[in-house]
Amino acid sequence: EDQVTQSPEALRLQEGESSSLNCSYTVSGLRGLFWYRQDPGKGPEFLFTLYSAGEEKEKERLKATLTKKESFLHITAPKPEDSATYLCAVQGTYNTDKLIFGTGTRLQVFP
Amino acid sequence: DTGVSQDPRHKITKRGQNVTFRCDPISEHNRLYWYRQTLGQGPEFLTYFQNEAQLEKSRLLSDRFSAERPKGSFSTLEIQRTEQGDSAMYLCASSPIRGRNYNEQFFGPGTRLTVL
Repeated sequence: EDQVTQSPEALRLQEGESSSLNCSYTVSGLRGLFWYRQDPGKGPEFLFTLYSAGEEKEKERLKATLTKKESFLHITAPKPEDSATYLCAVQGTYNTDKLIFGTGTRLQVFP
Repeated sequence: DTGVSQDPRHKITKRGQNVTFRCDPISEHNRLYWYRQTLGQGPEFLTYFQNEAQLEKSRLLSDRFSAERPKGSFSTLEIQRTEQGDSAMYLCASSPIRGRNYNEQFFGPGTRLTVL
């Protein structure tokens, strides 16, 4: 069964303290891996799609990478406004278009 | 382009009542998805449409849930005889089937349902 596991569940960082979030996945044929940001009470906001091992994408202080078993979301010199829950999702070749999400990493960045 | 919109944003109902939610996707997005999210969990897939055709329904979706997309534009999700376990955030997303953002699902703000 397709599965996504995210770690850690929660992460507290001081402003400027870089770190990485992990997303491990098991899927029968990966069509795409997606990262979203979600603020409390709001819908997920799309960040990145990664399609093949070795691929990397960047956006401001965020950088996503992909291997055959996991993805990392690297946060460089975070600011308090980066505080949110970060969700990882996979789309399998045989699962049509649905996304299978992990439970997310709740990030808090304090000044 | 105003993004995906959902209505209402909040709904409080009593157990046993029926509720209906509406989703308006990004214009020209052929695919429309419904997900459900409970506190501390990631979104869970419910069903999706390509144009007006419902292509997949989750095994978790009970017979009390029904979704439609009659003209391939907006969609409605109805829950009949609501139960307290139906309390959740109901999220709608849409995606194009071609072009630069192919296969990327963009979410709306959600409808928060509370069943008393």
